[in-house]
Amino acid sequence: GQSLEQPSEVTAVEGAIVQINCTYQTSGFYGLSWYQQHDGGAPTFLSYNALDGLEETGRFSSFLSRSDSYGYLLLQELQMKDSASYFCALPGGNTGKLIFGQGTTLQVKP
Amino acid sequence: DADVTQTPRNRITKTGKRIMLECSQTKGHDRMYWYRQDPGLGLRLIYYSFDVKDINKGEISDGYSVSRQAQAKFSLSLESAIPNQTALYFCATSGTGSSYEQYFGPGTRLTVT
Repeated sequence: GQSLEQPSEVTAVEGAIVQINCTYQTSGFYGLSWYQQHDGGAPTFLSYNALDGLEETGRFSSFLSRSDSYGYLLLQELQMKDSASYFCALPGGNTGKLIFGQGTTLQVKP
Repeated sequence: DADVTQTPRNRITKTGKRIMLECSQTKGHDRMYWYRQDPGLGLRLIYYSFDVKDINKGEISDGYSVSRQAQAKFSLSLESAIPNQTALYFCATSGTGSSYEQYFGPGTRLTVT
């Protein structure tokens, strides 16, 4: 089967950098995705890593280490609007499935 | 207009009632998905469809059924609703070969009393 683990909560201050970790177990690996969800809203796609290394998209970056079954989402120059839940997710290749972790709630304080 | 729409947005129903949640998309995607989200939990896949003729069960399909009426429409039915089906339901779409990037509707908040 597939499973993912993330911290349940992270707190940081405005302007700081925060890292949200994700470890996973899967028999077949097809990359790691990250989604953001504001309270009561729809999840929105942030990034995807298929290969080892860092992918940067503006203030957000995502890192993957396939040998360690580990990835993280890095948020820089935190803003109050970044307060949300962040989910890592495992795509299932040709099955089309996407298996989500339980999410990390980020609280950004002034 | 939103790319993925869901109706209704909120629904309260009684135990034993049949209810249908509808999803429409204008993204032209072949793949569509139904998820449920419970407080403090991630999203769990109920059913997914690769095209009109291809429907597959997800992690938690018991108690649910789906219908893919057209490429753009995918509906979820609860044949006999029970209280533990109270949850937030999301529809999503993705392009072929890109299930890692899914586009979600605004969600339907369902309460079963």
